[in-house]
Amino acid sequence: GQQVMQIPQYQHVQEGEDFTTYCNSSTTLSNIQWYKQRPGGHPVFLIQLVKSGEVKKQKRLTFQFGEAKKNSSLHITATQTTDVGTYFCASMNYGGSQGNLIFGKGTKLSVKP
Amino acid sequence: DAGVTQSPTHLIKTRGQHVTLRCSPISGHKSVSWYQQVLGQGPQFIFQYYEKEERGRGNFPDRFSARQFPNYSSELNVNALLLGDSALYLCASSLVGSEQFFGPGTRLTVL
Repeated sequence: GQQVMQIPQYQHVQEGEDFTTYCNSSTTLSNIQWYKQRPGGHPVFLIQLVKSGEVKKQKRLTFQFGEAKKNSSLHITATQTTDVGTYFCASMNYGGSQGNLIFGKGTKLSVKP
Repeated sequence: DAGVTQSPTHLIKTRGQHVTLRCSPISGHKSVSWYQQVLGQGPQFIFQYYEKEERGRGNFPDRFSARQFPNYSSELNVNALLLGDSALYLCASSLVGSEQFFGPGTRLTVL
């Protein structure tokens, strides 16, 4: 079935360093969404990318959708301790709708002050 | 405005028992989805309901069932609980075609 693979599984950085997580699929994705889940919390929507090659920025976060719509990345510049959490990419399930998402396994980010 | 609410927050059951989890969506949201999140994994889609009708079902056994009520709240039922059903059960609501808002989840432990 449809899958989204996410790497790395874990990332440990020093505060102020950059961080990137990657999401890949063997099939063309209709869209890609990114969520953040703090420890003990629930996923919180960050952004949705729809267009081929799309790039969106939110302060220190940069999101990209690949030209072939098979991969995506989230880059955080100058990490802060508030960035700690697990970042998930997700895509609409084939034949499904926005309420039917396939999630990657997530990248768990820890930030050392 | 209140976000998505779920009850109970925590639940402990034994194998073979039945459980009912409840979800109230954000006011105005007619779509409700249920996900199972096992520790260390991403959420896995179970069901989506829209306007009280099932609009999607994930790869879960028939022991899992759900329904949506006229006020758009929803229940997830799991019969004949197994140890492997221990997980965080997340409910998410949305407007049609927009982002999903997740509730805090129900932590189910099966002993």
